[in-house]
Amino acid sequence: EAGVAQSPRYKIIEKRQSVAFWCNPISGHATLYWYQQILGQGPKLLIQFQNNGVVDDSQLPKDRFSAERLKGVDSTLKIQPAKLEDSAVYLCASSLDLAAKNIQYFGAGTRLSVL
Amino acid sequence: AQTVTQSQPEMSVQEAETVTLSCTYDTSESDYYLFWYKQPPSRQMILVIRQEAYKQQNATENRFSVNFQKAAKSFSLKISDSQLGDAAMYFCAYRSALRTGANSKLTFGKGITLSVRP
Repeated sequence: EAGVAQSPRYKIIEKRQSVAFWCNPISGHATLYWYQQILGQGPKLLIQFQNNGVVDDSQLPKDRFSAERLKGVDSTLKIQPAKLEDSAVYLCASSLDLAAKNIQYFGAGTRLSVL
Repeated sequence: AQTVTQSQPEMSVQEAETVTLSCTYDTSESDYYLFWYKQPPSRQMILVIRQEAYKQQNATENRFSVNFQKAAKSFSLKISDSQLGDAAMYFCAYRSALRTGANSKLTFGKGITLSVRP
């Protein structure tokens, strides 16, 4: 079974530029999560989808971050414009559905450096 | 809101020895899940072990076991017969057992870096 795929693995941009990350969840997984992991900290949820609908985006800085999952499969996370404090690893995870017993499987993440 | 605390930033263990990683959490809920995830330098989070709060028996997975103390809100991970491949960051995480969507997120601690000495 293929795991959660993310690209790119690394991205370096200058502040005020825009950037996009892509995630392909495990086949058949309805729930998709984007987490932000700042160096030295644990991941924090940015946004959560159930199929193509947003379940929780309360921690997403909506003035600069946006995310979509148009067909309920792949998802993109965008930052525009980027700030220095956005430097972090962006992790995508998926699970079968919202049930608490279902395990979240993670991708390898995208490491973003904003200069 | 739930919080997860990992107060030890780093630990070291000799290969083949046993090490225990500590985690405490705070919640007003009675039904939840606790997890230990491993994050090697490749960055991919890998589930090590999971504990359901309503189960009194401590979870075990091969060389990994937990000591779950619900009243004390403590959830420690014991790694027996440590191997070089166990070197990684380890994160403790909490998840509500409520089915509602916003409660299905994981709340992580800050993590602990484990090094294994050959």
